[in-house]
Amino acid sequence: DAKTTQPPSMDCAEGRAANLPCNHSTISGNEYVYWYRQIHSQGPQYIIHGLKNNETNEMASLIITEDRKSSTLILPHATLRDTAVYYCIVRALNQAGTALIFGKGTTLSVSS
Amino acid sequence: GAGVSQSPRYKVAKRGQDVALRCDPISGHVSLFWYQQALGQGPEFLTYFQNEAQLDKSGLPSDRFFAERPEGSVSTLKIQRTQQEDSAVYLCASSRNEKLFFGSGTQLSVL
Repeated sequence: DAKTTQPPSMDCAEGRAANLPCNHSTISGNEYVYWYRQIHSQGPQYIIHGLKNNETNEMASLIITEDRKSSTLILPHATLRDTAVYYCIVRALNQAGTALIFGKGTTLSVSS
Repeated sequence: GAGVSQSPRYKVAKRGQDVALRCDPISGHVSLFWYQQALGQGPEFLTYFQNEAQLDKSGLPSDRFFAERPEGSVSTLKIQRTQQEDSAVYLCASSRNEKLFFGSGTQLSVL
């Protein structure tokens, strides 16, 4: 079973920030938080991952709480092309051969 | 190619027919994963290869499902005597480190 909890759906206006929450209260000390997204009819796409510090790349920012029990993925200026299912996953980094366990994710709908 | 390639993109099979789904991973990627995704659900793990070795097949739903990667590159997922409940998108992913790169999948419809 997935070790994370996400809201099933969220809406966001184009150009606004999309903040997607994820709860992972049973996360272990060596587990990272990964985010992937899946656009309709495509395979999942890696977005970002982090351990305990906030991370930022060209796609998004990841904010992890100090107790590491929850995190938020931030898309700073959402566009229509960001409409997708977003998956939050926890996995130990040294388990590169361990499969990602997906839950149902959050369906983000960006509208104009 | 630059990404993970899967073929065919769509496959329609009659119940009881055998099917073979192909995955061409990114060159140099050691790890290869197969997932099954039912409509409206997240991908579910089927099996994992490290080079040619199948290290985890715990997700294969029955002995009708078989996967191979004989030369540590291209992989084939075979489903024997297909059933309607096998209808799903089958995703392949490869990786060299902590990031997985997915193909667009093969949509299998069993009639």
